[in-house]
Amino acid sequence: AQRVTQPEKLLSVFKGAPVELKCNYSYSGSPELFWYVQYSRQRLQLLLRHISRESIKGFTADLNKGETSFHLKKPFAQEEDSAMYYCALRRWGGYQKVTFGIGTKLQVIP
Amino acid sequence: EAQVTQNPRYLITVTGKKLTVTCSQNMNHEYMSWYRQDPGLGLRQIYYSMNVEVTDKGDVPEGYKVSRKEKRNFPLILESPSPNQTSLYFCASSSQGMYEQYFGPGTRLTVT
Repeated sequence: AQRVTQPEKLLSVFKGAPVELKCNYSYSGSPELFWYVQYSRQRLQLLLRHISRESIKGFTADLNKGETSFHLKKPFAQEEDSAMYYCALRRWGGYQKVTFGIGTKLQVIP
Repeated sequence: EAQVTQNPRYLITVTGKKLTVTCSQNMNHEYMSWYRQDPGLGLRQIYYSMNVEVTDKGDVPEGYKVSRKEKRNFPLILESPSPNQTSLYFCASSSQGMYEQYFGPGTRLTVT
């Protein structure tokens, strides 16, 4: 069985402070990990994928297979980062069974 | 405009009255999925489809049916809705070989 754990339902940080949204997973095979974001009144959209190793809107995430983690980080939070963030996992290779975490609401305080 | 559409966007119904939520995509995507979103539980996959006539269960398929007769459409059917199916439902699609899922706007269903 595959499982995604996001331990924090709500994370509040001040503008300009570093952000780390935690994601841990449980999966016996080779996983693909994703971060999706949902801004207020907008659709859920992909933020980044572990294999791309790119930075999107200043966010990065590194897959740590030893710790089975895929934490999302940003060095300086901005007000427009306030949103719901979901970590998601699927089996490597395009298999479409996808498991999402419960989500973390990021609140950036001006 | 490339998009995933869902209808209706809001629905209030009574226990036991069959309903269908439609999902359509205009991107010629092979893969489509249905999710429900509940407070404290996040998104949970109900069913997914790899292509026409190919569907499989997600994590919470009980009480739901799907069909994929055309590539662009993936309706979600509740034969006998119950109050525990009150939720926000999302449809998503993606292309074979791609990793990004495109989500619809959501359908808020209330079963009384």
